[in-house]
Amino acid sequence: DVKVTQSSRYLVKRTGEKVFLECVQDMDHENMFWYRQDPGLGLRLIYFSYDVKMKEKGDIPEGYSVSREKKERFSLILESASTNQTSMYLCASSFRTTEAFFGQGTRLTVV
Amino acid sequence: GENVEQHPSTLSVQEGDSAVIKCTYSDSASNYFPWYKQELGKGSQLIIDIRSNVGEKKDKRIAVTLNKTAKHFSLHITETQPEDSAVYFCAASDSGAGSYQLTFGKGTKLSVIP
Repeated sequence: DVKVTQSSRYLVKRTGEKVFLECVQDMDHENMFWYRQDPGLGLRLIYFSYDVKMKEKGDIPEGYSVSREKKERFSLILESASTNQTSMYLCASSFRTTEAFFGQGTRLTVV
Repeated sequence: GENVEQHPSTLSVQEGDSAVIKCTYSDSASNYFPWYKQELGKGSQLIIDIRSNVGEKKDKRIAVTLNKTAKHFSLHITETQPEDSAVYFCAASDSGAGSYQLTFGKGTKLSVIP
């Protein structure tokens, strides 16, 4: 059974904190993605990675960075959390041009 | 880049009726069109997808149609059941050159009324 696991389902952080969201997949997928989902805006791509140590900006990378030191793990970093980063964050992975598998999501609240 | 429009944003149907959700895309190079179902607490699951070399694909009560000329594709759910209630997202990507970047629509909240 394929699995994409996000480290937390719910997080509450303070403004200005550095926040790490972790995602691990066990399918040996090359591609990994971070999206945020907001009401009325759908899923928007923040960053993605096609290989270890490689990253590409998505549509809304401002205020975020990522790290992919190992193939199975893709981390999203909020360098200094702000209230407008309160959102649902979804991680996904895929193998080449096939189906993307999503994690359960992390609901982040920045207060 | 790609832009995907999805309509309607909300849809209510009576159990047993059909539901249709429509999406349009802007990039004529897009050639892969998946549909995802997002249920509360269950994450997002692929329910059906279509590639640009076919015009229609069916899987039991679910079908997807693609019109490449008009750059639109639609999800059809027949004989709807309460468990079909969820948020549905369409997406498009250009899977050429080994890339796989999905652009999503804004989602449709489907409610099936028993």
